[in-house]
Amino acid sequence: QVQLQESGPGLVKPSQTLSLTCTVSGGSISSGDYYWSWIRQPPGKGLEWIGYIYYSGSTYYNPSLKSRVTISVDTSKNQFSLKLSSVTAADTAVYYCASGTDYDYGNWFDPWGQGTLVTVSS
Amino acid sequence: SSELTQDPAVSVALGQTVRITCQGDSLRSYYASWYQQKPGQAPVLVIYGKNNRPSGIPDRFSGSSSGNTASLTITGAQAEDEADYYCNSRDSSGNPVFGGGTKLTVL
Repeated sequence: QVQLQESGPGLVKPSQTLSLTCTVSGGSISSGDYYWSWIRQPPGKGLEWIGYIYYSGSTYYNPSLKSRVTISVDTSKNQFSLKLSSVTAADTAVYYCASGTDYDYGNWFDPWGQGTLVTVSS
Repeated sequence: SSELTQDPAVSVALGQTVRITCQGDSLRSYYASWYQQKPGQAPVLVIYGKNNRPSGIPDRFSGSSSGNTASLTITGAQAEDEADYYCNSRDSSGNPVFGGGTKLTVL
């Protein structure tokens, strides 16, 4: 069974770049079955899709974040990563990685990592 | 603002049935998926596709859809079902989008 685990700094200064990595275990990131996804949740608020990457490297980003987001994949390490540039306090959130499935009749995310809180503060 | 609209809060008496709804134009074309999130925990998928439950999700959870509204029904709500519930589908551009969430209280 696929499991995901986020890692990265819990504190980032304003204007800097947030960098997180998601390590996939129990399955190959190159299997082609999933879109490898990042989703965030500001404290006390709802979920926001950030973007996802297919194992081939094709990426899809939330238009509201697209200018600041880069998602990449390292198949040799079975990992994928998120970079969010020029962060502000509004980017403070719990960041989740998840495996996404996308069919013409709908999409879903399962499973999810446990999440990691990233605080933007000087 | 989200293109999927959910009621902020719903309550249900223990053992009774509750329906949580999600409205949006994209739901005329796509099924919603539903997630349960308890405090301090990651969301968990409970319903996907037409009405599919992942392994380990109790059969008291079911999904349905009509027009622009998707529904998650819990038949015989238990105390452990108290949580936030989010729907997910696509926006008008085809990108994934989540509803604002519904806080379910089991009385």
